[in-house]
Amino acid sequence: IAGITQAPTSQILAAGRRMTLRCTQDMRHNAMYWYRQDLGLGLRLIHYSNTAGTTGKGEVPDGYSVSRANTDDFPLTLASAVPSQTSVYFCASSDYTGELFFGEGSRLTVL
Amino acid sequence: AQSVAQPEDQVNVAEGNPLTVKCTYSVSGNPYLFWYVQYPNRGLQFLLKYITGDNLVKGSYGFEAEFNKSQTSFHLKKPSALVSDSALYFCAVRPLSGGYNKLIFGAGTRLAVHP
Repeated sequence: IAGITQAPTSQILAAGRRMTLRCTQDMRHNAMYWYRQDLGLGLRLIHYSNTAGTTGKGEVPDGYSVSRANTDDFPLTLASAVPSQTSVYFCASSDYTGELFFGEGSRLTVL
Repeated sequence: AQSVAQPEDQVNVAEGNPLTVKCTYSVSGNPYLFWYVQYPNRGLQFLLKYITGDNLVKGSYGFEAEFNKSQTSFHLKKPSALVSDSALYFCAVRPLSGGYNKLIFGAGTRLAVHP
């Protein structure tokens, strides 16, 4: 069982470019999340989706957008990347017990 | 504001000794409490959680945590540390009335277990 699959694992991007981070789950969880991890700040929620067809803003949503067309996929898009979006991005899903399942992360560097 | 504090950036312990990683929180109402572990270049993995009931919760890899309501703490413990326990540990708190979009993470504590 793969769980959460993220792609790409690493990317270097020029400022101003558009970038989509992909996330797919095979656990049929209703809820999915995107976090960014920065040194000394822990994990901060960017966007979330409680079920297919709905999304919501987290703590740090500016500059990011998401969509949830189906249960399995939850892509995160940076419309015009800026250097402050250099981070490690984690996709996660949760089951009814409240346990979060994380992907392995996507390391993004914006120059 | 609701928050989670992990007061130690790093905890150093000798292999075989007991370890404690501290977590305190400030949230309204009774919270759900979690510990996650992150190994280098990996995603976070669930260790244990407290929802209700016995204040001492046992989790994966021999870890346990004690919920203390009066001190609003949820410290992670292990009786005998292993070198392989060296990793980054995150405490997370969710208010009882909130959804999982309300989960708040601490900044993390790096555990270093020395042979």
